[in-house]
Amino acid sequence: QSVLTQPPSASGTPGQRVTISCSGGSSNIGTDTVNWYQQLPGTAPKLLIYSNNQRPSGVPDRFSGSESGTSASLAISGLQSEDEADYYCVAWDYSLNGWVFGGGTKLTVL
Amino acid sequence: QVQLQESGPGLVKPSETLSLTCTVSGGSISSYYWNWIRQPPGKGLEWIGYIYHIGRTNYNSSLKSRVTISVDTSKNQFSLKLSSVTAADTAVYYCARGLGIQYFDLWGRGTLVTVSS
Repeated sequence: QSVLTQPPSASGTPGQRVTISCSGGSSNIGTDTVNWYQQLPGTAPKLLIYSNNQRPSGVPDRFSGSESGTSASLAISGLQSEDEADYYCVAWDYSLNGWVFGGGTKLTVL
Repeated sequence: QVQLQESGPGLVKPSETLSLTCTVSGGSISSYYWNWIRQPPGKGLEWIGYIYHIGRTNYNSSLKSRVTISVDTSKNQFSLKLSSVTAADTAVYYCARGLGIQYFDLWGRGTLVTVSS
């Protein structure tokens, strides 16, 4: 059971907008920021969004993040086939004094 | 640019100690937090722990009794030891660079370690 809760799956058709949620608590998302990682099949995770809504250089602006209270969301607009991947949220937990991950969401582009 | 590469045995026997090394190339190991993260086959990510370049460590409480992370700044390497392994420790092990407790910005490619007799 992961500390952060994500839906196990999400899907959309090319061009659509999809969102992936990440629910936590007062000791993690409620206190600090959330980061999102994209993991393409057979590869290492790649930083997609940091500090709730910041994109590293090279990440398309189709990807955006938001946070409210103890939850966060990743939005992908203009969905493309290459977006098919697993997405993970992660945050620092001040009660556990360590990083906690969501269980991951498998995004399928139909 | 900075790259991370994990190395170590791909097969470890139950009850023995898993040992991995992460080599940092293209940059210094100083001034960052160096993390180990693992992913069992078909499952999600789990943070194992980190070491700061001066040697301060912090471990996942669920693994703390079995984990040791160390750093060798002269070789630009940091290492993971996980003792008394079982089949549940079978996973792809990643090393990752952390900017404090803000985020992981660089990851190694990962190495699969299988625990089996």
